[in-house]
Amino acid sequence: DAGVIQSPRHEVTEMGQEVTLRCKPISGHNSLFWYRQTMMRGLELLIYFNNNVPIDDSGMPEDRFSAKMPNASFSTLKIQPSEPRDSAVYFCASSAGPPSNQPQHFGDGTRLSIL
Amino acid sequence: AQKVTQAQTEISVVEKEDVTLDCVYETRDTTYYLFWYKQPPSGELVFLIRRNSFDEQNEISGRYSWNFQKSTSSFNFTITASQVVDSAVYFCALSALSGGYNKLIFGAGTRLAVHP
Repeated sequence: DAGVIQSPRHEVTEMGQEVTLRCKPISGHNSLFWYRQTMMRGLELLIYFNNNVPIDDSGMPEDRFSAKMPNASFSTLKIQPSEPRDSAVYFCASSAGPPSNQPQHFGDGTRLSIL
Repeated sequence: AQKVTQAQTEISVVEKEDVTLDCVYETRDTTYYLFWYKQPPSGELVFLIRRNSFDEQNEISGRYSWNFQKSTSSFNFTITASQVVDSAVYFCALSALSGGYNKLIFGAGTRLAVHP
């Protein structure tokens, strides 16, 4: 079975550029999560979608960040304009939730470097 | 408030040693779920186990075992006869019903280094 698929695996871009990260959740999962991982702050939840609808975006750091889920099999996280402090590993996860007992399954992550 | 504490930042052992990773959690919910994830050097996050708050039975899976004790709010993870391939960062996480959805609260992680 295919897991959560993220692209690209690595992204290096210059400050001010637009960055788009992509995620394909596990088929049949109706919950999707975007996380950011940094050394300083650990794993932070950015946004949670249920049935393609954003439910909790309280973790989105600022207006430069936006996320969409146009259908059940695709989501994007966009940063515009990007800044060096956005450098991190971004993970997408999906689950059969929202019941709180459902484990989240993570993609391999996108390592983002903003120069 | 919900919180997960992994007090051990780094642990270093020699292959074949047993090692226990500690996890202490805080929640006011009576129904909650606990998880462990592994993050190997390659960077992905791998789901290892889920336990619910009503099931305090210990669980064993091969060389891995988990000890859940509600009395001490702990959910510790033991690796028996550690191997170099166990080297990774291990995260404990909590999810509670009052969050409304399966929002995971992660601990800071414990970095385990197993040396040959």
